[in-house]
Amino acid sequence: NAGVTQTPKFQVLKTGQSMTLQCAQDMNHEYMSWYRQDPGMGLRLIHYSVGAGITDQGEVPNGYNVSRSTTEDFPLRLLSAAPSQTSVYFCASSYSPLAGGETQYFGPGTRLLVL
Amino acid sequence: SQQGEEDPQALSIQEGENATMNCSYKTSINNLQWYRQNSGRGLVHLILIRSNEREKHSGRLRVTLDTSKKSSSLLITASRAADTASYFCATGQGGSEKLVFGKGTKLTVNP
Repeated sequence: NAGVTQTPKFQVLKTGQSMTLQCAQDMNHEYMSWYRQDPGMGLRLIHYSVGAGITDQGEVPNGYNVSRSTTEDFPLRLLSAAPSQTSVYFCASSYSPLAGGETQYFGPGTRLLVL
Repeated sequence: SQQGEEDPQALSIQEGENATMNCSYKTSINNLQWYRQNSGRGLVHLILIRSNEREKHSGRLRVTLDTSKKSSSLLITASRAADTASYFCATGQGGSEKLVFGKGTKLTVNP
């Protein structure tokens, strides 16, 4: 199994551009999530999904959209990039929703720089 | 907003010594997890402890949970240079699908 994969590894955008960060998992996990990690801030939840067709907002959802059309994929879309979205983005998945206490498997991250 | 806060923010020790990191949180939880992040990499799950448990072990790791004090500790015994990483606690609340991470403790183990 490849686990959780993310593409691209690194991206530079100009302010106002849009892009999609890709995330895929091959473990048949129901739950997927997106976090951003900024220096000294830990990880903050952007959006999450408890299954195909179901998404919900996390702590910092503004400026981001998600969809979950398949179990495997959970892309994160930046609608109009801003310098404040410069960060490292991590996708994670778990076998079942977190409410009962589940561990998450993380991808390697995407470093995004918005100029 | 952060739920868990790790202490200390940074810790430097010699190989063979024990490393202890603490995590405090604010609201009731149903589980607490510890993750490790090597520089520039994704997070790796270490251990999960549920609110009805007081202590768990996994290899050289020992985690304690004190729900009355809303705190947890992670002990790494006989540390190795390869343990150099940032360590994060994350809390899960009953009925919530959100795992809330702290800001982490950066551990350096000197050979």
